[in-house]
Amino acid sequence: ETGVTQTPRHLVMGMTNKKSLKCEQHLGHNAMYWYKQSAKKPLELMFVYNFKEQTENNSVPSRFSPECPNSSHLFLHLHTLQPEDSALYLCASSQDLKGVSGNTIYFGEGSWLTVV
Amino acid sequence: GQNIDQPTEMTATEGAIVQINCTYQTSGFNGLFWYQQHAGEAPTFLSYNVLDGLEEKGRFSSFLSRSKGYSYLLLKELQMKDSASYLCARYNYGQNFVFGPGTRLSVLP
Repeated sequence: ETGVTQTPRHLVMGMTNKKSLKCEQHLGHNAMYWYKQSAKKPLELMFVYNFKEQTENNSVPSRFSPECPNSSHLFLHLHTLQPEDSALYLCASSQDLKGVSGNTIYFGEGSWLTVV
Repeated sequence: GQNIDQPTEMTATEGAIVQINCTYQTSGFNGLFWYQQHAGEAPTFLSYNVLDGLEEKGRFSSFLSRSKGYSYLLLKELQMKDSASYLCARYNYGQNFVFGPGTRLSVLP
C-alpha cells in the first residue's frame, strides 16, 4: 500500500466510449502525475500537477483530458481512444516539485486500459 | 537532454551479487532514484542519491557519481523474488522525474 489509490484497476472500452480513471493520494502531497507504460517502453510522463495547477503536458493527444480538483485527487478523462492507447496508466504523487531531498515519487497500482 | 541509459536485460544466480548500471545526461541534475517493478505491478521506491557516494539499505545499495553522470544499483544475496525490472530515474529541480527504459533482471536457481 503506497498511499496512492487508482480505480478502476482494469478497464476495457470501445473507441467511441467515454470513461475516466481516478486517482487519490492519502500522503498529503502537492504534486500528482499521470504516466503511461506500454509494453517494452519506458514510463512516459503525460501530465504533472503541482498545487492543483498543471505544470506539464508532455504533448499528450487531446483525447486524454486530465482534471485535478484538489491536491489529493487526479482524474484522466478518456474519449475516442485508439487501440494503440492500450497500456498501463500509472498515477503518482510527490511532496512537491521544489527539491529532491525526501521527495520520492510514489505510484499507484495502475489502471490497465484496453481499447477495442 | 533527458537520455537515460540502462542495460535491457541481465541474468544472475540466486545468492550472487549483481550491479545494474545507469548513465544519464548531467545538465540540471538534482537527484537519482531507483525503483523496482515486478511484472504487472506499479514501481516501488528503492533508493535515491543526491550526493556522490554509496547509499546502503540492507541488500540493496546505490552509488552515484555526479561528475560522470553515472549510478549503479547493487543487489546482494540475490533471491528469486528479486526478479523484476529496475528503473533508474533522474529528477530535475522544479521539473519532474524522467525514467530510464528499465533493466529486466532474471534470477536463476
